[in-house]
Order: sequence, then structure tokens, then C-alpha cells
Amino acid sequence: GALVYQYPRRTICKSGTSMRMECQAVGFQATSVAWYRQSPQKTFELIALSTVNSAIKYEQNFTQEKFPISHPNLSFSSMTVLNAYLEDRGLYLCGARTGANTEVFFGKGTRLTVV
Amino acid sequence: GDSVTQTEGQVTVSESKSLIINCTYSATSIGYPNLFWYVRYPGEGLQLLLKVITAGQKGSSRGFEATYNKEATSFHLQKASVQESDSAVYYCALSGGSALGRLHFGAGTQLIVIP
Repeated sequence: GALVYQYPRRTICKSGTSMRMECQAVGFQATSVAWYRQSPQKTFELIALSTVNSAIKYEQNFTQEKFPISHPNLSFSSMTVLNAYLEDRGLYLCGARTGANTEVFFGKGTRLTVV
Repeated sequence: GDSVTQTEGQVTVSESKSLIINCTYSATSIGYPNLFWYVRYPGEGLQLLLKVITAGQKGSSRGFEATYNKEATSFHLQKASVQESDSAVYYCALSGGSALGRLHFGAGTQLIVIP
């Protein structure tokens, strides 16, 4: 079946440092990958959408300078949180899909704590 | 903009009793949104519970049902008889069905089923 693995599951970083998280699609080709963040007491908020061989589209309030994303092939994507601060803490979810109108498969998320 | 509003916070139901989690949506930039219910069991990632892409249709899965009501802009989740294993957080979501698959999530409703 189709699975999405995210690594690490949990991480703690010092304020002002950076943290990279990874997303691996297994059993299907991840043509597009979406990164979401769930901040404490909030719902999932889209950070950016990445489609292989296309430019990555960031949502308002999220920038490439802060959340650079790499999507080099159909099975892997990574995102870095640069200069993480308290407001960046939360659960980061990766959702991948094969194409238009296909199901999005989510990983279990990376929980980021900033101290 | 596009948004989803669902029953907030926590819902507690006794086992074998019925459940309804309300969901209404606003899709100002999407003419005919696709509607979804996702579920997140403890320690797991988001899983698609059911989806409906055509107004007037009903989706069902694992005993849960939801009807796409375009007139009322609603997509309430119902189950006639809940089980303890249904305890989880449920998210209503919509998308425009585009190739990029951007999902707008509701705040999530935590269901606690008491044995």
C-alpha cells in the first residue's frame, strides 16, 4: 500500500537554530507534496505545495527563506525550519499524492519543540 | 476565503450511542469543493475517513456517513453506534480538487467514547 514516512518523529532544537525534517513516500510516486503545520491549539495550516519539476508555492505567512523545501524526486521531500523560534513549534505534516484528484497520504508528522 | 468550521473541542459519547460532528464550509474561491473527513488516532498520522466530490452524494466508511449538502454548505459526520475504538480527532476539510491538492482543515473535534 501507499505509505508516507516522516523523520524525525520528534525533535527539540534551541531557539535560533535550524532543523531539517524529511518525508519519504513508499509504494507510490509522490508527484506533489504538501507541508502543513499544526501549531498548539490550532488546526493544520498549509506551508507550501511542491510539485516535481515545478516551482514550490508558498502560502501567505510562509517563505522559502524561512522554510526551504527540497523535492528532488518522486519519493522524497525535505523541509528545513531555519532560525526556529517559539512560534515555530508544532506538528509538521507531510502529505503526498500521485496526481490530480487522488488521495493525499499523510505521514505521522514531525513534532518540533523549540527551547 | 475558503474555510471550514466544525464542532469545536471535545465530544464525549457513550459506546453504542449515536454521534454527529457538525461541519460547515465556505468556498468562495472554489465553485464545487471536494469535501473530506480525516481522522487521527492517537500516535498515528492523518487518515482519510471518507470523501465526497459531488453535491448531494453521501460518503460512508467504517460506519460513518457524511452527506455533501451544497445548499446548507454542510458536511456533517454521523455514526449510528460508536465504539471505543472510534476515539480519535476528526477533521473536516475541503479542497478545490486541483492538481496541487490544497486542503483547508477545520479545527478538529476530539471524540472520546466511553465504554
